[in-house]
Amino acid sequence: EAGVAQSPRYKIIEKRQSVAFWCNPISGHATLYWYQQILGQGPKLLIQFQNNGVVDDSQLPKDRFSAERLKGVDSTLKIQPAKLEDSAVYLCASSLVASGFYNEQFFGPGTRLTVL
Amino acid sequence: AQKITQTQPGMFVQEKEAVTLDCTYDTSDPSYGLFWYKQPSSGEMIFLIYQGSYDQQNATEGRYSLNFQKARKSANLVISASQLGDSAMYFCAMREGPGNEKLTFGTGTRLTIIP
Repeated sequence: EAGVAQSPRYKIIEKRQSVAFWCNPISGHATLYWYQQILGQGPKLLIQFQNNGVVDDSQLPKDRFSAERLKGVDSTLKIQPAKLEDSAVYLCASSLVASGFYNEQFFGPGTRLTVL
Repeated sequence: AQKITQTQPGMFVQEKEAVTLDCTYDTSDPSYGLFWYKQPSSGEMIFLIYQGSYDQQNATEGRYSLNFQKARKSANLVISASQLGDSAMYFCAMREGPGNEKLTFGTGTRLTIIP
């Protein structure tokens, strides 16, 4: 079974530029998550999708971050304009169903963003 | 207050020894789940073990076991017979309340296995 795919793996941009990350979840997984992991910290949930609807985006900085999940499969996360503090690893995860208490999330390899 | 606290930023352990990674949590919800993930240098998070708040027994998965002490709100990960491949970051995470998929992670512990 193929895992969660993410691209690019690395991205370097200058502040005020825009950037987009792509995620392809495991086939059949209804729920998709985007996490931000700043160096030295644990991942922090930015947004959760159930199929193509947003379940939780309470920690997404909506003035600069946006995300979409077209057709309930692939997802893109965009930052515009980027700030220095956005330098982090952006992890995508997916899970089979969004119900039940034990619901393992499968993570992709992440995209490491450096903002100069 | 921190939801998940991991007080050991780094640990060094001799190969083949057992190691305990500490995790304490804070929640007022009676229904919650605790997870441990491993993050090698490649970056992806690998699920290791899960403990539900109503589980009567401590969870075990191969060389991994979870020392769950509910009254103390601790969920320590025990790795038996450590191997060089166990060197990685380890994160404790919690999900609160039924139907809530959000995971809250601790700051992690970097484990280094010494040959």
